[in-house]
Amino acid sequence: QKEVEQDPGPLSVPEGAIVSLNCTYSNSAFQYFMWYRQYSRKGPELLMYTYSSGNKEDGRFTAQVDKSSKYISLFIRDSQPSDSATYLCAMSSWGKLQFGAGTQVVVTP
Amino acid sequence: DAGVTQSPTHLIKTRGQQVTLRCSPKSGHDTVSWYQQALGQGPQFIFQYYEEEERQRGNFPDRFSGHQFPNYSSELNVNALLLGDSALYLCASSLGGDNEQFFGPGTRLTVL
Repeated sequence: QKEVEQDPGPLSVPEGAIVSLNCTYSNSAFQYFMWYRQYSRKGPELLMYTYSSGNKEDGRFTAQVDKSSKYISLFIRDSQPSDSATYLCAMSSWGKLQFGAGTQVVVTP
Repeated sequence: DAGVTQSPTHLIKTRGQQVTLRCSPKSGHDTVSWYQQALGQGPQFIFQYYEEEERQRGNFPDRFSGHQFPNYSSELNVNALLLGDSALYLCASSLGGDNEQFFGPGTRLTVL
């Protein structure tokens, strides 16, 4: 069993819809949780960085962490075609990031 | 404010050869981590350098080695290249080994 599980998709949504992404994990030692966006053949771009359980909002993005269920989510409101990318969840305890496989998101005009 | 930079952008090598990849961290950062990303997969942690020493290492063979210089830049060396080493190699920088890491654009290595 992988330490971090993430549905690879692809996930296709119409423009303006809410995109919902999630990851589950098995290692209770993870304390820091991140979401990265990666465009094709580019490096990952940090979108959200959270530490505690609960919600964190930044513009159209909301990250949720539920440590008791070992479950994290990312929501993208009012999605745009430019949001089409692969979204990677990552988690860490001592500076070593453990990534999910990434979910490919396609936002259609 | 310069972000993380990596060179070269692309590289083609043959099996058995050796390769060196380079990374300059984001301004103000002192820690560099290296990751390997195979096609369709998430990045896998190779190792992390802080104060010119390897602080953590992932499940990669000794063919993978690195170095950090006094200006915090770093090199990743891979010896005796295998076909399976073909991947996107990513460098990430942070401050004091913090978990908030910022990635460079990567170096795409193809081994023929």
